[in-house]
Parts: sequence; C-alpha cells; structure tokens
Amino acid sequence: LAKTTQPISMDSYEGQEVNITCSHNNIATNDYITWYQQFPSQGPRFIIQGYKTKVTNEVASLFIPADRKSSTLSLPRVSLSDTAVYYCLVGESSNYQLIWGAGTKLIIKP
Amino acid sequence: NAGVTQTPKFRILKIGQSMTLQCTQDMNHNYMYWYRQDPGMGLKLIYYSVGAGITDKGEVPNGYNVSRSTTEDFPLRLELAAPSQTSVYFCASSLRDRGHYNEQFFGPGTRLTVL
Repeated sequence: LAKTTQPISMDSYEGQEVNITCSHNNIATNDYITWYQQFPSQGPRFIIQGYKTKVTNEVASLFIPADRKSSTLSLPRVSLSDTAVYYCLVGESSNYQLIWGAGTKLIIKP
Repeated sequence: NAGVTQTPKFRILKIGQSMTLQCTQDMNHNYMYWYRQDPGMGLKLIYYSVGAGITDKGEVPNGYNVSRSTTEDFPLRLELAAPSQTSVYFCASSLRDRGHYNEQFFGPGTRLTVL
C-alpha cells in the first residue's frame, strides 16, 4: 500500500508562491493524486487532481514527476484566506483504498 | 443542489449509548464514505459504499456499522459509545468512473462527544 508523507506545517507571506510536497512511495500505476483544503470546523474541499506531469486549474497547479513518487501542490500568490490545512490523497484503484496524508498546516502572514 | 447534508451537527452521548449519524446526498453519486477526524489529526476512513446495498470496511471500522439501502442515504450507526469515539465525523460522496476516484464532496460534519 502507498503511504503518504507531508510536512506538518509551513508558513509564508501574502503574494508569495507556496509549494507543498507530498511523498507517496509504492504508488500504483493507475492511482491518482488529489489535494484537498480544509478550514476549521468545515469538511475538506477539493483543490486539484492529477495523474502525471502537470495539471493547472484556476486556483492551483499540481506537479507530478515521471516516477510519481511525490507530488507538489503549488499555490500562486497566496492570500491570508489560504491559511488552512492541505491534505494529499492517493486513490488506490486496485483495492479501493484511500490513503490520506496527515495534512500540512499552512499559515499565511501579512 | 444541497450537496451532502449531515445530521445532527452536534451530539453528546453517555458511555454505552447508541446513535445514528445521518448522511444524505442529492448528486446521484455512487460512492459514499464515512470518515472520522480527531482533534488536530487527519482523516481516517471508517466505512465506504460503492452503491446501494454494497458496503465495505475502511481503516477504522470497529464500533461502527453502516447500511446503504438507497443511492442517497448512508447512515452510520454507533453501538455502545465509548470515549475513544469522540471525534468529528464527516460524510462524503463521489462519482467514481473510468476506474479512478473523482472529487469527493464533504458534508459539514457531526461533532460527537462521548462522556
């Protein structure tokens, strides 16, 4: 089974680009990587999902190298409202297992 | 669409009591999930369902039961509540197709305290 590892916490400043990396050893060929954002007292909210190379949407980019043993969530020009916990999730299509990371607490300072 | 709704929002139970946490989704999603999140921790999967009538255990199923009689509803039953079950419980749903997991939509959560 894949295991996901993320930094416990990070901080940055408004207007900066923030990169959060998740390590996922033993990821299977058909597994996707998904990132979620969670604010206090709320359920997680989907940010982005990818399989390989680079995916970009209106709020983030996801970089996945060729070996797929890690992935990096990139948040461009963060604001105070991006302060939240970010989770990496590996979906194991082979056995219906969902492997969640422990979460990275991101604090954005003015 | 209301999305994923959960009731109740808060509940305090005494040790040994039982209760059912309700979860309903109106997006016609085939997959539904129950998670627990302890304070300051990540999500742990309790049970999941791939469709009506089909459920399976996740990472931490002990002390819980589920059923899925309809596409929309996925109740979680706690029997003989214990202090270790004090947590926030999230229900989620997703549409799984093309062999991989799509975006999960989460409910607002139920905060449960067992005393």
